Amino acid sequence: GAGVSQTPSNKVTEKGKYVELRCDPISGHTALYWYRQSLGQGPEFLIYFQGTGAADDSGLPNDRFFAVRPEGSVSTLKIQRTERGDSAVYLCASSLIPAGGPGEQFFGPGTRLTVL
Amino acid sequence: AQSVAQPEDQVNVAEGNPLTVKCTYSVSGNPYLFWYVQYPNRGLQFLLKYITGDNLVKGSYGFEAEFNKSQTSFHLKKPSALVSDSALYFCAVRDMMDSNYQLIWGAGTKLIIKP
Repeated sequence: GAGVSQTPSNKVTEKGKYVELRCDPISGHTALYWYRQSLGQGPEFLIYFQGTGAADDSGLPNDRFFAVRPEGSVSTLKIQRTERGDSAVYLCASSLIPAGGPGEQFFGPGTRLTVL
Repeated sequence: AQSVAQPEDQVNVAEGNPLTVKCTYSVSGNPYLFWYVQYPNRGLQFLLKYITGDNLVKGSYGFEAEFNKSQTSFHLKKPSALVSDSALYFCAVRDMMDSNYQLIWGAGTKLIIKP
């Protein structure tokens, strides 16, 4: 079956602009996660959804970052007034077993965001 | 606080030799432990996990990992390395009793297998 997909694969934007990054999880996976990964580092947790609700958004760096998952499937990560420091690969993952359990996460290929 | 350490930025192994990629962790309670692999320009792929039970866990592509509670380690191993194993490897942990749903990730270890 299809894995986690993310669009776009690459996004170049100018400082101050607004961007949306999309994640389409594996069908039936109720848990969805967003991470940010900078070069040479491990993934940095941003937000976790269980169904439609954000169960844990403690990783969002500031109020310029927001994510939604209105129907409990596709999720969109939104970044307002982008800054050069936002440049990174944004990863999405989904899992069948909620994060409260030990289920492994399945990752998408990521969106490489470059803020000029 | 929870943490994961991968003490080696890079590991070099000759093809056919055994390989070990080290991981140590710190959690308050009992851990869920994971290994993931990342190939260039591709997403993270799950290799194996430790939940409970047998300390030796077998995973994908011939990899295995040994959970050592006393040493708080979860080293990744493979008896005979392949050139195609060259990639970036990440260890991750979560405290079993933690209501925070975050996985804590190591910084990664670059594995280079030389022919």
